[in-house]
Amino acid sequence: QSVLTQPPSVSGAPGQRVTISCTGSRSNIGAGYDVQWYQQLPGAAPKLLIYANTNRPSGVPDRFSGSQSGTSASLAITGLQPEDEADYYCQSYDSSLTGKLFGGGTTLTVL
Amino acid sequence: QITLKESGPTLVRPTQTLTLTCTFSGFSLTTGGVGVGWIRQPPGKALEWLANIWWDSDRRYSPSLKSRLTITKDTSKNQVVLRMTDMDPVDTATYYCAHSVKAARTYYFDYWGQGTPVTVSS
Repeated sequence: QSVLTQPPSVSGAPGQRVTISCTGSRSNIGAGYDVQWYQQLPGAAPKLLIYANTNRPSGVPDRFSGSQSGTSASLAITGLQPEDEADYYCQSYDSSLTGKLFGGGTTLTVL
Repeated sequence: QITLKESGPTLVRPTQTLTLTCTFSGFSLTTGGVGVGWIRQPPGKALEWLANIWWDSDRRYSPSLKSRLTITKDTSKNQVVLRMTDMDPVDTATYYCAHSVKAARTYYFDYWGQGTPVTVSS
């Protein structure tokens, strides 16, 4: 069981804005540990989308943005496109040493 | 550019030891703040972090699997090896290695290999 909780699924129509939440606790996000977001397209390896809460690696469109507040973080995707259909994972560090770095993942469906 | 590639057996018998090799290029495991991690993903399930080795030889393991895992590095060959003992069918998964960055308040995985599927079955 993950220490970072994500909704199993979200959906949106092309062009819309969707957000994916990642709820942690005082031993991870709430302790000030940064959050990362990964996108995993069907059949592919994960790809880093956001690091250190809000930063995009080179090449990631600015339609993707991250935020963090308290014990939670969020990934927002604006101008939804069919190619955004994928699984999304949040990741952080947990001082309780459970080793559970990743959230359970969220499947995004573009309607 | 940074690339990583996993190699190893696709089929392992129960109780056997799995040995996976990650061969990388485009970075050095002697550079401060750099590491290589192993992450696995059972079919249809979430990512699970297994282990990390850092530039200073610091090793970190998932507590639930620590007794079964060993991670080592060979900087001259640009390789990282993961060994997992006493394999079980529940260990069936795609295994990824990834370039890791240790930042001030976290560490993350910015480049991933393509993954290698491992099936545990008799």
